Amino acid sequence: QKEVEQNSGPLSVPEGAIASLNCTYSDRGSQSFFWYRQYSGKSPELIMFIYSNGDKEDGRFTAQLNKASQYVSLLIRDSQPSDSATYLCAVGPGNNRLAFGKGNQVVVIP
Amino acid sequence: DGGITQSPKYLFRKEGQNVTLSCEQNLNHDAMYWYRQDPGQGLRLIYYSQIVNDFQKGDIAEGYSVSREKKESFPLTVTSAQKNPTAFYLCASSIGPGANYGYTFGSGTRLTVV
Repeated sequence: QKEVEQNSGPLSVPEGAIASLNCTYSDRGSQSFFWYRQYSGKSPELIMFIYSNGDKEDGRFTAQLNKASQYVSLLIRDSQPSDSATYLCAVGPGNNRLAFGKGNQVVVIP
Repeated sequence: DGGITQSPKYLFRKEGQNVTLSCEQNLNHDAMYWYRQDPGQGLRLIYYSQIVNDFQKGDIAEGYSVSREKKESFPLTVTSAQKNPTAFYLCASSIGPGANYGYTFGSGTRLTVV
């Protein structure tokens, strides 16, 4: 079983809709959870982090963590074309480093 | 401004040649990491360092070498032993070990074999 899984294929959403991304992880001892956004040809940038169960909101982004079910999700409200990117889920600590998922591509259709 | 600087942005390597990718940070971060990203793939860890003068192999260390002589610098050498080096290389740093604080990434170096 992979450490961090992001199984969904490319996600197409209309402008103004909600984009929902999910991520599951295998290590029950994980304590920190991150979402990175990566535009094509660019490096990842941190957009959200969450440490406790529940929801955390920052602007149009909401991260949701459920440690019992071992999943973390990211909601993007009022999606904009500028949100079109690949979103990477990362979980730590695992051997003193983050474990990354392969990412989910989001395409916002004007 | 604090950040991580990777250079060069683009690098071309001839067969059998060693090349070194630079990574410098002025964030006063203890931990530094090197990742490789291939098209449509996730990030694969090459090497990481939690403290000066110490580093550990990641998942794909063969054909690569690193040094950590200064806190600010973590250069990566891609040796001729790395048979498929064409990829996007990312350097990252973290305020401390344990990966509980998230990473800050540099802008990356795109390496191509010619």
